[in-house]
Amino acid sequence: QIQLVQSGPELKKPGESLKISCKASGYTFTDYAMQWVKQAPGKGLQYMGWINTQTGKPTYADDFKERFVFSLETSASTAYLQINNLKNEDTATYFCARGRVLIDYWGQGVMVTVSS
Amino acid sequence: DIQMTQSPASLSASLGETVTIECRASEDIYNGLAWYQQKPGKSPQLLIYNANSLHTGVPSRFSGSGSGTQYSLKINSLQSEDVASYFCQQYYDYPWTFGGGTKLELK
Repeated sequence: QIQLVQSGPELKKPGESLKISCKASGYTFTDYAMQWVKQAPGKGLQYMGWINTQTGKPTYADDFKERFVFSLETSASTAYLQINNLKNEDTATYFCARGRVLIDYWGQGVMVTVSS
Repeated sequence: DIQMTQSPASLSASLGETVTIECRASEDIYNGLAWYQQKPGKSPQLLIYNANSLHTGVPSRFSGSGSGTQYSLKINSLQSEDVASYFCQQYYDYPWTFGGGTKLELK
C-alpha cells in the first residue's frame, strides 16, 4: 500500500536548522511530485510548495522562498525538507504529501517546536 | 493567489443529520477542488476530488458539488466517525491554496 513515512518530532532553538525526511513506498517515487504543507498549532493548512521528483526542481510558495529547501534522495525514494535559521513561527506540523494533479496521500506529519 | 473562503468555521450536528460545508474561491477554479478530512492528531485524508468525484474507499454518504467559484461538501446521515475538521483545497492554479477549515462536532 502507498505510504509516506516521515521522521520524528523535533525540538530546536531559534537560529538552528533541521532536516525532515519523508520516505515513500508502495508506488514509483518518480511518478508523482512531492508536496509540502505546514499546519501551525490549532490552525489550518498552508501550502509550502513542491519538488519535481524526476528533475529535482523545487517550487516554493511565496512565504517559503527564504530559509526553506526541498531536496531528494531518489535512490532511497525519500524527500527532504530543510529549514534554516529557525524562528518561533516555524513551530508547526509539516506534512509531505504525494501529488501530481492533486494531493492524494499524506505523510503522518512531523511536529517541529522552536523554543529558546 | 486564489483565496478560498470556507464556511462555517465550526458546526455542531446530530447523528443521522445531513450537513453541508461551503467553499468559495476568489476566481473560477474550473472544478479543480478537493475536500479533505482531518481527525485530531492525524494527517488529512482525501475525500473528494474534481469537485464531485469520490476518492477510493470513501463512504458514499460523502458527496461534493459545485462549479465556478462555489463548491460544497455534503455528509448524509452523519456518523460518529465523521467528527473531524474538513478542508477544501483548490489545485487549479499555483500556488495551491486551502480553505480555513470547518470543525464538525456532535451535538
